[in-house]
Amino acid sequence: DAGVTQSPTHLIKTRGQQVTLRCSPKSGHDTVSWYQQALGQGPQFIFQYYEEEERQRGNFPDRFSGHQFPNYSSELNVNALWLGDSALYLCASSRGDRPYYEQYFGPGTRLTVT
Amino acid sequence: DQQVKQNSPSLSVQEGRISILNCDYTNSMFDYFLWYKKYPAEGPTFLISISSIKDKNEDGRFTVFLNKSAKHLSLHIVPSQPGDSAVYFCAASATNTGNQFYFGTGTSLTVIP
Repeated sequence: DAGVTQSPTHLIKTRGQQVTLRCSPKSGHDTVSWYQQALGQGPQFIFQYYEEEERQRGNFPDRFSGHQFPNYSSELNVNALWLGDSALYLCASSRGDRPYYEQYFGPGTRLTVT
Repeated sequence: DQQVKQNSPSLSVQEGRISILNCDYTNSMFDYFLWYKKYPAEGPTFLISISSIKDKNEDGRFTVFLNKSAKHLSLHIVPSQPGDSAVYFCAASATNTGNQFYFGTGTSLTVIP
């Protein structure tokens, strides 16, 4: 049983560019959450998708947007990249009918903005 | 505003001894707390949790203690093993804010053989 997978593993972008990160949830999971983990910090909640809708959002600007597909996979898009967007981006999946704290994390995508 | 704080960035413990990792929070509405363990190049994995109606939860070598009046929780690992060497994050959430978790900055535990 594959766990949560994310692609790409690493990414280098230039300031001002746009980036798309991808996440496939664990089998049987229908809810996807995205987190940003800056160096030396804990993960910060960006948003959560359930039934292809954004269900909750953390304190992130509109430059951060997402999408969930019918197969429950998800994308995180970041527009107009800043140097400060350099971070590890983590995806976590869970089941909508289970307690919300039962989430499983992927290995993350390391984004570097130069 | 950091609502969950782990003030010790690192901790070293001898194998077989007790490891105590601490976490403080500021939001009195938090009612569910978790500890995650993270190895390099892997995502965090759930370790143990506790709800605010309890003051202790135990799972094998891992015990989490919650002191609501002090807004403090701690994770005890007894006995510590070299395989426990990892970064440990505490996280908290409040039922009335749905599914948003607030994470601490992590404590890097090294268990010395």
